[in-house]
Amino acid sequence: DSGVTQTPKHLITATGQRVTLRCSPRSGDLSVYWYQQSLDQGLQFLIQYYNGEERAKGNILERFSAQQFPDLHSELNLSSLELGDSALYFCASSLKLDEQFFGPGTRLTVL
Amino acid sequence: GESVGLHLPTLSVQEGDNSIINCAYSNSASDYFIWYKQESGKGPQFIIDIRSNMDKRQGQRVTVLLNKTVKHLSLQIAATQPGDSAVYFCAEYSSASKIIFGSGTRLSIRP
Repeated sequence: DSGVTQTPKHLITATGQRVTLRCSPRSGDLSVYWYQQSLDQGLQFLIQYYNGEERAKGNILERFSAQQFPDLHSELNLSSLELGDSALYFCASSLKLDEQFFGPGTRLTVL
Repeated sequence: GESVGLHLPTLSVQEGDNSIINCAYSNSASDYFIWYKQESGKGPQFIIDIRSNMDKRQGQRVTVLLNKTVKHLSLQIAATQPGDSAVYFCAEYSSASKIIFGSGTRLSIRP
């Protein structure tokens, strides 16, 4: 158990819909990272927050957004969903830019 | 659990032998590197890291080698065990907070 929690574990929705994925970092970690892992593209870094502020952006689509709240939990919002958005979404946390602890992931299926 | 990367390169190793997993990184400005292990149905797990001012770092049964000249990273696992079966990813980090994951290698252990 990494100490990072993600909800929900599974999510099935339809194209065009919007979903919110939630992540609670390890106690004391200030950074939260979001990743997308699909079968054909491996692990893709989406975005990083540090103590409530956006720190770095990776390959995140404009239809996706994220935020980190004062209690340090984070949410990833995915809108206008497409079939290709089906993937595993991982959240990770770290104290600094070093070892990241990954959550168990949310499996999103878009039908 | 869900399979990760159906088209990943696979390394098959006899139990008890040493494994060497290679990774070519892309950004010459990357100054921090991590190897992750991902078992089926789980999030990536930190194995070992190395900073760019080093060329070798050893952990328990694992060694990471860094060759900055050719932008190459390798992970050596000594006396490979069945529990080492997983997908292994390298990740590179730069001071610009760019995080790039390699495509991964599946390690398979033969009894």
